Amino acid sequence: DTGVSQDPRHKITKRGQNVTFRCDPISEHNRLYWYRQTLGQGPEFLTYFQNEAQLEKSRLLSDRFSAERPKGSFSTLEIQRTEQGDSAMYLCASSFPSPGELFFGEGSRLTVL
Amino acid sequence: QQQVKQSPQSLIVQKGGISIINCAYENTAFDYFPWYQQFPGKGPALLIAIRPDVSEKKEGRFTISFNKSAKQFSLHIMDSQPGDSATYFCAASVGDSSYKLIFGSGTRLLVRP
Repeated sequence: DTGVSQDPRHKITKRGQNVTFRCDPISEHNRLYWYRQTLGQGPEFLTYFQNEAQLEKSRLLSDRFSAERPKGSFSTLEIQRTEQGDSAMYLCASSFPSPGELFFGEGSRLTVL
Repeated sequence: QQQVKQSPQSLIVQKGGISIINCAYENTAFDYFPWYQQFPGKGPALLIAIRPDVSEKKEGRFTISFNKSAKQFSLHIMDSQPGDSATYFCAASVGDSSYKLIFGSGTRLLVRP
């Protein structure tokens, strides 16, 4: 499968714990995006990378959130001290650096108890 | 000004009928307008997209109509099928070098057999 891969698909955690999600983009794509999707809503932009550089962060990305793409390949999204409001689907997408299709993974669903 | 407003929230259509979903935007810098289809438990997948230099684009049963002066665009699904039952999101690309997408809130389509 050469699509965007996300892991884990589901994560249940207790409030206050840290969680980390991983995204493996399509190998030829040098752009990688993270989005958050809550039930019944469209995906909301969180951040994006071109190669290893994080070029933009949404104000939705509080200080408890950090994203990295250390070698310009896979990316991780860490949420520290999780809150119930963090419960959502976290979607990763990748693309070429031009206006066009974003290819999404199947997402990592986070439930904070 | 960055918002994309989508309607209706939900839509029920008989098999063989026409499904119509509408979106409106304010930011005239938007320069790429895709529609994404999302099935439960899956990430969004590109269905069809249009750029503002054309007023209509058709791919099979799916057509985008674009009205630049009204800042509106719509998705028409002809001969709707039960397999089209999914959530549809309109989106717009910001028009800067980020190429990030701003999504509408989604339309849940149910096609009855």
